[in-house]
Amino acid sequence: QQQVKQSPQSLIVQKGGISIINCAYENTAFDYFPWYQQFPGKGPALLIAIRPDVSEKKEGRFTISFNKSAKQFSLHIMDSQPGDSATYFCAASTGGAGGTSYGKLTFGQGTILTVHP
Amino acid sequence: SQTIHQWPATLVQPVGSPLSLECTVEGTSNPNLYWYRQAAGRGLQLLFYSVGIGQISSEVPQNLSASRPQDRQFILSSKKLLLSDSGFYLCAWRGGRRVAKNIQYFGAGTRLSVL
Repeated sequence: QQQVKQSPQSLIVQKGGISIINCAYENTAFDYFPWYQQFPGKGPALLIAIRPDVSEKKEGRFTISFNKSAKQFSLHIMDSQPGDSATYFCAASTGGAGGTSYGKLTFGQGTILTVHP
Repeated sequence: SQTIHQWPATLVQPVGSPLSLECTVEGTSNPNLYWYRQAAGRGLQLLFYSVGIGQISSEVPQNLSASRPQDRQFILSSKKLLLSDSGFYLCAWRGGRRVAKNIQYFGAGTRLSVL
């Protein structure tokens, strides 16, 4: 019930291509869906996040698409660059800014993205 | 601005030795604090979280413990390390004043190798 399933485990894309990473969840109480980017040896950093009241959010080359009925969301990286090569994690949490969830995030297993020049 | 400090960056410890990893947050007050472990090639597993001084919640039964002696200090400890404790340990914080409350900010992590 608390799982977030992420695919693919690894992804290789040519420079300028579109990278797509998918996540699915079961817990309908999730109300916050962030994506984190992690470079080797570093901590994850928030990339972009969405709430279930919108179907899409775009920030620069990064777009989250959200399908509430299917309980799926995805990250699209347009015009992928070698500097985008990193591990990407989707996550989900409940309770918004308050509640009893204390902001605990449930993470997907991660996708290692490699963008070839 | 808010910053999070985690140390040491790397640590090599023998099996059976004690462990103490420290995390401090600056520039905010009363944050929620979290310890995660990341095994090689795996996702992040939440180990402990704290919503206030002295308040610790454990997510996974294990050989580790956590403490929060001060508002912005979070410590991960073990009395006797096991081989299975090896991994990348990450501290994170959320909340406090003047920041978006749903965002978790991570430290740079500690790479722990138990030999």
